[in-house]
Amino acid sequence: NAGVTQTPKFQVLKTGQSMTLQCAQDMNHNSMYWYRQDPGMGLRLIYYSASEGTTDKGEVPNGYNVSRLNKREFSLRLESAAPSQTSVYFCASSEEGASDTQYFGPGTRLTVL
Amino acid sequence: AQKITQTQPGMFVQEKEAVTLDCTYDTSDQSYGLFWYKQPSSGEMIFLIYQGSYDEQNATEGRYSLNFQKARKSANLVISASQLGDSAMYFCAMRERYDYKLSFGAGTTVTVRA
Repeated sequence: NAGVTQTPKFQVLKTGQSMTLQCAQDMNHNSMYWYRQDPGMGLRLIYYSASEGTTDKGEVPNGYNVSRLNKREFSLRLESAAPSQTSVYFCASSEEGASDTQYFGPGTRLTVL
Repeated sequence: AQKITQTQPGMFVQEKEAVTLDCTYDTSDQSYGLFWYKQPSSGEMIFLIYQGSYDEQNATEGRYSLNFQKARKSANLVISASQLGDSAMYFCAMRERYDYKLSFGAGTTVTVRA
């Protein structure tokens, strides 16, 4: 049982390049999330998808776009990467309620030069 | 305003001893959930324990227990019988009823000494 998977694990980009981070979950969860983690900080929500077909902005959405491809997959796109987007990106999934645990993928470490 | 406060940036604990990690939270909601996650040096986020705001009993999961004091808005994690593998960063997080995001604290680094 893989849980939440993310690709790639590591990526180095130059300023202005674009890329898509992929996330998939096999737990049949309705809700999926993208967070970023910066040094010395907890995670901050970028975007989330409460259910298939819907997406909404989180705390720090600027510079990102998302696609909920189907129930399993939720991708994060950086259209024109900036050094401020250097971070570790985590995808997570859960059922919909406030009591439902969010389960995280292994993370993608992104460096923008 | 900071919703989750973890005041201990780092702690050392002797193997086999217990350690308490502090977490205070701020919300005006009556319904919310509190979570603790472990992040080892390998980087993944591992769910440890959950406490609901209406739960009267403190949550326990193996060696982890959550000391929930609702009136004080406190949700401290207690790790009993520490093991070397417990060395990691620990994050407290809260999810309010009508919000999808988890609000995280800054984390506490625990180092277990042999």
